[in-house]
Amino acid sequence: DAGITQSPRHKVTETGTPVTLRCHQTENHRYMYWYRQDPGHGLRLIHYSYGVKDTDKGEVSDGYSVSRSKTEDFLLTLESATSSQTSVYFCAISLTGTHTEAFFGQGTRLTVV
Amino acid sequence: LAKTTQPISMDSYEGQEVNITCSHNNIATNDYITWYQQFPSQGPRFIIQGYKTKVTNEVASLFIPADRKSSTLSLPRVSLSDTAVYYCLVGDKTGGSYIPTFGRGTSLIVHP
Repeated sequence: DAGITQSPRHKVTETGTPVTLRCHQTENHRYMYWYRQDPGHGLRLIHYSYGVKDTDKGEVSDGYSVSRSKTEDFLLTLESATSSQTSVYFCAISLTGTHTEAFFGQGTRLTVV
Repeated sequence: LAKTTQPISMDSYEGQEVNITCSHNNIATNDYITWYQQFPSQGPRFIIQGYKTKVTNEVASLFIPADRKSSTLSLPRVSLSDTAVYYCLVGDKTGGSYIPTFGRGTSLIVHP
């Protein structure tokens, strides 16, 4: 997929453990996003980044933190995973520098047991 | 943020034209209308974007009336592979505080 790699693609973890999901892009795009998708809710924005060390909260940021120390990597961390964070997580980048034209990765399916 | 309203689901048959309408009564002057398509187990894919009147690309057409309070995504002669969820988004493409928000979308099922 045009320059986005999410890792891992699948993960099962236990409640209370920390989890970090990685999004890697190869094309130096400025904007990067983390979404979660749950049945009946569509996609909801967790956090986004507009540059190295520049991040901001989205609609459902509680329980999540992000970091972007390099242009190409955007990390999503669940400090202490809960069952309500079982979801499919999508990373996206803006190919055109505008928020409205995003390119999405293949997703990470996270299960918290 | 302008909210959007779409039908939850639609059914069609191969070869038919499908029109999915999205309502966005509170659209702002700088807002653009963007449509995405999502297949199962994949991330959404950008289809088309427009500001007013009509936009056409190799995949779809987007019709936007003068008042811009709604828009219609038109898929010509659908096939089984067009079965997917379609999302309508409205927002300022120039950035600022706008962040794309996806609703539940419209689940389109194309039957043989």
